[in-house]
Amino acid sequence: AQRVTQPEKLLSVFKGAPVELKCNYSYSGSPELFWYVQYSRQRLQLLLRHISRESIKGFTADLNKGETSFHLKKPFAQEEDSAMYYCALSGMNTGFQKLVFGTGTRLLVSP
Amino acid sequence: DTGVSQDPRHKITKRGQNVTFRCDPISEHNRLYWYRQTLGQGPEFLTYFQNEAQLEKSRLLSDRFSAERPKGSFSTLEIQRTEQGDSAMYLCASSLLGGDGYTFGSGTRLTVV
Repeated sequence: AQRVTQPEKLLSVFKGAPVELKCNYSYSGSPELFWYVQYSRQRLQLLLRHISRESIKGFTADLNKGETSFHLKKPFAQEEDSAMYYCALSGMNTGFQKLVFGTGTRLLVSP
Repeated sequence: DTGVSQDPRHKITKRGQNVTFRCDPISEHNRLYWYRQTLGQGPEFLTYFQNEAQLEKSRLLSDRFSAERPKGSFSTLEIQRTEQGDSAMYLCASSLLGGDGYTFGSGTRLTVV
């Protein structure tokens, strides 16, 4: 079964501190992993996907197939990074169409 | 194009009533998805369309739920005989076939009292 686990409901850091939001997945095959973000009173939006290998707003995420992880990292958190972050998975077993989401981690960056 | 639009934004209904939600995707997107999100959970897949064809339905979608996309453009999600457990945020998203991820709407928040 496909599953995405985000072990932390809340991550609270100070501005300028490094951030790592954890995501582990269970999938038999080659998955496609995503991070979605939802800022306060805004809609859910794509932050990044592993195949793009991009850095968006200073965030990066590396797919580690050995550890089945796709952790989201940023070296220096900013207050505007405060939001809800969801890790999501798609893949051949799901027809590369539907996404399976984790339960989300709320990131709170304090001044 | 203003992105994915959902209507209404909020709906309060009495248990047992029927409700219908509408989603207008980005015009050139041929895939349209419905998800449901309850408090403390991530979005859960309900169903998706490619053009006007409904290609997959989740087991979460009971017989009381029906979705249509009659002309391959907007879609409706109807819930018959609503129950309190149907209270949730209903999210619509659209994408291009083979495109880079979804574009989500703002959602319709349903409260069944």
